[in-house]
Amino acid sequence: DAGVTQSPTHLIKTRGQQVTLRCSPKSGHDTVSWYQQALGQGPQFIFQYYEEEERQRGNFPDRFSGHQFPNYSSELNVNALLLGDSALYLCASSPLHRGKTDTQYFGPGTRLTVL
Amino acid sequence: DQQVKQNSPSLSVQEGRISILNCDYTNSMFDYFLWYKKYPAEGPTFLISISSIKDKNEDGRFTVFLNKSAKHLSLHIVPSQPGDSAVYFCAASARRGFTTSGTYKYIFGTGTRLKVLA
Repeated sequence: DAGVTQSPTHLIKTRGQQVTLRCSPKSGHDTVSWYQQALGQGPQFIFQYYEEEERQRGNFPDRFSGHQFPNYSSELNVNALLLGDSALYLCASSPLHRGKTDTQYFGPGTRLTVL
Repeated sequence: DQQVKQNSPSLSVQEGRISILNCDYTNSMFDYFLWYKKYPAEGPTFLISISSIKDKNEDGRFTVFLNKSAKHLSLHIVPSQPGDSAVYFCAASARRGFTTSGTYKYIFGTGTRLKVLA
């Protein structure tokens, strides 16, 4: 049973560019959350998707957007990249709406470097 | 405003002894708490959780204690092993009032780096 997978593993972009990160949730999970983890910090909640809609959002600007597909996979898009967007981006999934445990399980993350 | 705090950035413990990692929170709406372990270049791995209706939860070598009046939780690892060396994050969420159309988020602390010495 594959866990949460994310692609790519690493990414280098320059300021002003746009980036798309991808996530496939664990089998049986229908809810996907995205987190940003800066160096030396804990993960910070960006937003959460269920039924292809953004359900809750953290304190991130509109440059951060996302999408969830019918197969529950998800994308995180960041426009007009800033140096401060350099971080590890984590995707987490849970079977939240299927009456099971709502614990979130994390993927390995995508390391984004903005030059 | 840091709603979840881990005030010890690092902790060193001898192999075989007890490791105690602490976490404090400020939001009284939090009712579900979790501990994650993170190795370098990997995502956080779920360890153990506790609901606010309990004050203790055990899973093998790991026990989480919750003191609601003090808004404090701790993770005990007994006995500690060198493979436990990692960064440990506590997280909290408010599930009260959750509906099938609602969702919730986790608020994480800044982590404690545990080093278990052989």
